[in-house]
Amino acid sequence: GAGVSQSPSNKVTEKGKDVELRCDPISGHTALYWYRQSLGQGLEFLIYFQGNSAPDKSGLPSDRFSAERTGGSVSTLTIQRTQQEDSAVYLCASSLDGGYADTQYFGPGTRLTVL
Amino acid sequence: AQRVTQPEKLLSVFKGAPVELKCNYSYSGSPELFWYVQYSRQRLQLLLRHISRESIKGFTADLNKGETSFHLKKPFAQEEDSAMYYCALVPSGTASKLTFGTGTRLQVTL
Repeated sequence: GAGVSQSPSNKVTEKGKDVELRCDPISGHTALYWYRQSLGQGLEFLIYFQGNSAPDKSGLPSDRFSAERTGGSVSTLTIQRTQQEDSAVYLCASSLDGGYADTQYFGPGTRLTVL
Repeated sequence: AQRVTQPEKLLSVFKGAPVELKCNYSYSGSPELFWYVQYSRQRLQLLLRHISRESIKGFTADLNKGETSFHLKKPFAQEEDSAMYYCALVPSGTASKLTFGTGTRLQVTL
């Protein structure tokens, strides 16, 4: 079946602009995660959605970052007033139910470049 | 807070040689541990996890709680094993938010 998809694959923006990154999880997966992969920090957890529960936002680096998940499916990660340090690959993953040892399936990522 | 350490950024081995990718963790409880792999121009994918006690593509990993390690091993490296390998941890009994190591690039040469 179809895997996790993300769009756009690449995004170049100017410092101070807002950007939206989209993630389509695998159908039927109730858990959705956002990670960031950057040169200096490696792979970092950002935010986690599970069903209708309140999201776990503990990994968001600042209040410029927010995410929502509509209808328990598609998710959008929004970065406001982008900074150069936001340049990274943003990865989305989904899993069946977010359990302890659940397998996460990753999307191809969105490469964000802030000029 | 938990932490995962992969001390080698790059590991270069010859085809047919044994491979050991090191992973150490710090966490006070009993974590679940994973190895994820990213082949060139492919997405990040699960290679294996401790709870399944499995061998995938000839790779195995043993959890050593005394040494807090979860090293990935393969007796004979193949060219197609060349990739980026990430060790990751989930604290016991929690939602599956992965804490990753910084990764090791494995390069298998002829």
